[in-house]
Amino acid sequence: DAGITQSPRHKVTETGTPVTLRCHQTENHRYMYWYRQDPGHGLRLIHYSYGVKDTDKGEVSDGYSVSRSKTEDFLLTLESATSSQTSVYFCAISARAGGTNEQFFGPGTRLTVL
Amino acid sequence: RKEVEQDPGPFNVPEGATVAFNCTYSNSASQSFFWYRQDCRKEPKLLMSVYSSGNEDGRFTAQLNRASQYISLLIRDSKLSDSATYLCVVMPISGGYNKLIFGAGTRLAVHP
Repeated sequence: DAGITQSPRHKVTETGTPVTLRCHQTENHRYMYWYRQDPGHGLRLIHYSYGVKDTDKGEVSDGYSVSRSKTEDFLLTLESATSSQTSVYFCAISARAGGTNEQFFGPGTRLTVL
Repeated sequence: RKEVEQDPGPFNVPEGATVAFNCTYSNSASQSFFWYRQDCRKEPKLLMSVYSSGNEDGRFTAQLNRASQYISLLIRDSKLSDSATYLCVVMPISGGYNKLIFGAGTRLAVHP
């Protein structure tokens, strides 16, 4: 299995509080991604990174920010959590962009916003 | 309309059965196609890529029909361990950094 960890694995928080999720990889892959998964929807891309300090928005980026200060860490921050951000969050990594390059996923973080 | 559409199922089949899933995609310029497998409350994992000529990996066969914009996954001789959700995944040609578009998944339940 690819060396990807996510922390925390479960979190319950209240509306309006800030939340930071961490993704850590030991594969030295260049590309990292944050997705959310909700019932009835496929995984949807929130933000991605193509290198240290290089990030860009995905399709559902509103209310989220990211940072990547080291190759191995990619942080997802909810500045002021809302109930609509209750979801399962997956981090993914890939060595290259495009082609048939595989994305490897972390175990996920289950976030509940009350 | 969703970019990638799948029948959510569930498909309930006995062990040993053959089962097929289809998936349709809306972007005719899509470049790459995949099937991922996701077990309950686990992360998705790549099952197989889908090539234009079709490809087979053991009991699993994937086909691509660009004219009709669908891909399929055939599972022969189903095992209990095949029970999972199967995600159809498409990479648009303009997706840039390996952006993937995921379907919501088709659930398969194999029973004894």
